[in-house]
Amino acid sequence: QLVLTQSPSASASLGASVKVTCTLSSGHSSYAIAWHQQQPEKGPRYLMKLNSDGTHTKGDGIPDRFSGSSSGAERYLTISSLQSEDEADYYCQTWGTGFVVFGGGTKLTVL
Amino acid sequence: QVQLVESGGGVVQPGRSLRLSCAASGFTLSNYGMHWVRQAPGKGLEWVAVISYDGNKKYYADSVKGRFTISRETSKNTLYLQMNSLRAEDTAVYYCAKCLQAAAGPLDFWGLGTLVTVSS
Repeated sequence: QLVLTQSPSASASLGASVKVTCTLSSGHSSYAIAWHQQQPEKGPRYLMKLNSDGTHTKGDGIPDRFSGSSSGAERYLTISSLQSEDEADYYCQTWGTGFVVFGGGTKLTVL
Repeated sequence: QVQLVESGGGVVQPGRSLRLSCAASGFTLSNYGMHWVRQAPGKGLEWVAVISYDGNKKYYADSVKGRFTISRETSKNTLYLQMNSLRAEDTAVYYCAKCLQAAAGPLDFWGLGTLVTVSS
């Protein structure tokens, strides 16, 4: 069964960098994923599609501070030069024919 | 620019029905897969249903299969979710979302959501 696992929380200081991790379940390490950001009291926002080889395509207007990378079954979202508005929930998402799966989300706190 | 606007949410008693709408603009529904995703209060995102770009294929999460129906009206460029036999656990904000491509893929645009509360 395809499952995406995320740590519930992460934190980093204003101006620093942080890496958020999404892990694909065993046997599914070739899957691409997407990253979404959900700021408090708002709807989700698409950040990027991230392939298993680490190449990624960002959504419209997503700043260069957001980047993605991959290693095996791990998919990473790195946010550099953290700003207060980056404090949000981050979800990874994958898909197949007739289904979509979300990770449980990572709540990022900017200190 | 792409815009998705959901409507139709509200308070409904258990066992009753509700129909959600999602008005799309800036693109044509018939070129992309379209999804419904929900988020219970304080919880994460849960995928609900998808309709293929041509409208011929519809798939559902096990939690709503047999109770919810996804459909669309291309002349109005509008997506729908008919929800029957509602339960307390269906209480959530419901979002419609556009797929990046015609077939399966990432969800690249989201609406602002509409709140459904199932309570007696």
